[in-house]
Amino acid sequence: GAGVSQTPSNKVTEKGKYVELRCDPISGHTALYWYRQSLGQGPEFLIYFQGTGAADDSGLPNDRFFAVRPEGSVSTLKIQRTERGDSAVYLCASSRTSANTGELFFGEGSRLTVL
Amino acid sequence: AQTVTQSQPEMSVQEAETVTLSCTYDTSENNYYLFWYKQPPSRQMILVIRQEAYKQQNATENRFSVNFQKAAKSFSLKISDSQLGDTAMYFCACGSYQKVTFGTGTKLQVIP
Repeated sequence: GAGVSQTPSNKVTEKGKYVELRCDPISGHTALYWYRQSLGQGPEFLIYFQGTGAADDSGLPNDRFFAVRPEGSVSTLKIQRTERGDSAVYLCASSRTSANTGELFFGEGSRLTVL
Repeated sequence: AQTVTQSQPEMSVQEAETVTLSCTYDTSENNYYLFWYKQPPSRQMILVIRQEAYKQQNATENRFSVNFQKAAKSFSLKISDSQLGDTAMYFCACGSYQKVTFGTGTKLQVIP
């Protein structure tokens, strides 16, 4: 597709459930980022992929959060045993190279609500 | 580590007027980039303007320009001839190595 695609756009789940959020980056973009945006806040860095490998996962809040990008394109953010505090918009972005030098192209985000 | 501070949670401007959004940052890196991103209600973040820290000349992009003061670690955004479509959240960001850090944002309302 022409832009970064994220699914689902909205997800409501119950506390303790498992959730997967998917990101399909712009074709040819090697760098892929996940950010979390809580209400009234700026995006908070979670993890960065360069190709298939996680180059920096220092933003993942705890071991309930995990992300993969097995073929260097689509990425999945996985959240186990969800908590109410996980409620936020999860943004995915991709870039041709590294985002610190180039433009980040964002998707519209997946809004996660944990009841 | 890097931090980005936006001290203006909300601002408003009359249509066709000029407004300046403030941003300060801190980073220990020598090579870094600075960005302003716009987030309309649709949620999708869009790059407004980018500045390489090693360049002294302030970046401009049509009605958008920055005032980059490296010694003061200040990076403000000026929007000239404000339009209704400029109404959005604006995020200042600093990027070094592979990480881009965002501020908390300024909500800009353009008043007709």
